[in-house]
Amino acid sequence: DADVTQTPRNRITKTGKRIMLECSQTKGHDRMYWYRQDPGLGLRLIYYSFDVKDINKGEISDGYSVSRQAQAKFSLSLESAIPNQTALYFCATRGPTGTNYGYTFGSGTRLTVV
Amino acid sequence: KQEVTQIPAALSVPEGENLVLNCSFTDSAIYNLQWFRQDPGKGLTSLLLIQSSQREQTSGRLNASLDKSSGRSTLYIAASQPGDSATYLCAVDTGGFKTIFGAGTRLFVKA
Repeated sequence: DADVTQTPRNRITKTGKRIMLECSQTKGHDRMYWYRQDPGLGLRLIYYSFDVKDINKGEISDGYSVSRQAQAKFSLSLESAIPNQTALYFCATRGPTGTNYGYTFGSGTRLTVV
Repeated sequence: KQEVTQIPAALSVPEGENLVLNCSFTDSAIYNLQWFRQDPGKGLTSLLLIQSSQREQTSGRLNASLDKSSGRSTLYIAASQPGDSATYLCAVDTGGFKTIFGAGTRLFVKA
């Protein structure tokens, strides 16, 4: 099993629909992140969580919400999807400061809003 | 504001060539720098992480260097192979929650 699992892998949805992207990790790390990737751009941070009770907005949180159901689970919701939210979404985790501080990413969810 | 730039955006080389990918950043106050590989439609795979106190890291045919004073990192790939074809991204960690990603260099290694 992958260290970070995202579901679904691909999703097409209509404008105005609510959609949830799910993420689970088996690394045992506290820190989890949601990023968005658009063609030609670097990844941009949507939300991040340092533990179950700590959730923070990233640079592009408008139109998104998250839920940290457990240490291993972090889901991203689009409350009312719009076409410019069409992108590749990544969930990631990372360990505490030190040698394990690098990111581990999921395989991504390709979301298309029509 | 930290900015991370990767030039060129795309690179094509013949198999067997040694090559260097570049990453530049505007603020030298970084915590670490990480290089990733991304295959089309896939997630990012971590290749190397260099702490701010380090000058380089090596893994197999890959060697990453870090020069904070000049705001540069390079990823050296020795004896390139078609399987190395992918997009390579660098990411700078500025501490706290902030990580700035470059847009990546798309590498194509021709057989």
